[in-house]
Amino acid sequence: DQQVKQNSPSLSVQEGRISILNCDYTNSMFDYFLWYKKYPAEGPTFLISISSIKDKNEDGRFTVFLNKSAKHLSLHIVPSQPGDSAVYFCAASAWNQGGKLIFGQGTELSVKP
Amino acid sequence: GAGVSQSPSNKVTEKGKDVELRCDPISGHTALYWYRQRLGQGLEFLIYFQGNSAPDKSGLPSDRFSAERTGESVSTLTIQRTQQEDSAVYLCASSLALKGRSGETQYFGPGTRLLVL
Repeated sequence: DQQVKQNSPSLSVQEGRISILNCDYTNSMFDYFLWYKKYPAEGPTFLISISSIKDKNEDGRFTVFLNKSAKHLSLHIVPSQPGDSAVYFCAASAWNQGGKLIFGQGTELSVKP
Repeated sequence: GAGVSQSPSNKVTEKGKDVELRCDPISGHTALYWYRQRLGQGLEFLIYFQGNSAPDKSGLPSDRFSAERTGESVSTLTIQRTQQEDSAVYLCASSLALKGRSGETQYFGPGTRLLVL
């Protein structure tokens, strides 16, 4: 039972353009959503999060949008830079499940110069 | 370095042997998590420690897996009688767990890459 899904295993964009990474979830008890970025041979690093009471959160070049009715969120990176090339994981947590995170399978982003 | 550290960074073992993986969380972080990432897959929750509360073991895949935590510091994940399907990267994370549990940023270590031959 995959509660968090990232249906695109990979994405390739041109430097300077927008990268849009998508994530779908099924559990309506999730109240926080987080995006993590992972480089090879390193642990994931926190990027940005959003509470379920909001529909948008912005931090510099990164914006996360949440559509609760569709159980869908997306991460926008504008403008994309070669250093953004990494695997991006969507994760969710539920208020009644402690702090554990449920992760999607990840999307590998490649930003080409 | 004030980050989460894990040891060993790599471990190769033979099927049937026991292994111990260690995690040193960020000082002052009361919550500690173990996750597993198999090749090409997302991170899979294993176990969660929060202060003196009973750990949440709901993600442990079998009774061959166990974990301990000493107070609010070091944690050890033990896999007994390892199988080839245990091969994965084992990641540890910690968080402050001050403002309520859900949504807390978790800080990850670099992981231990386990290969069972």
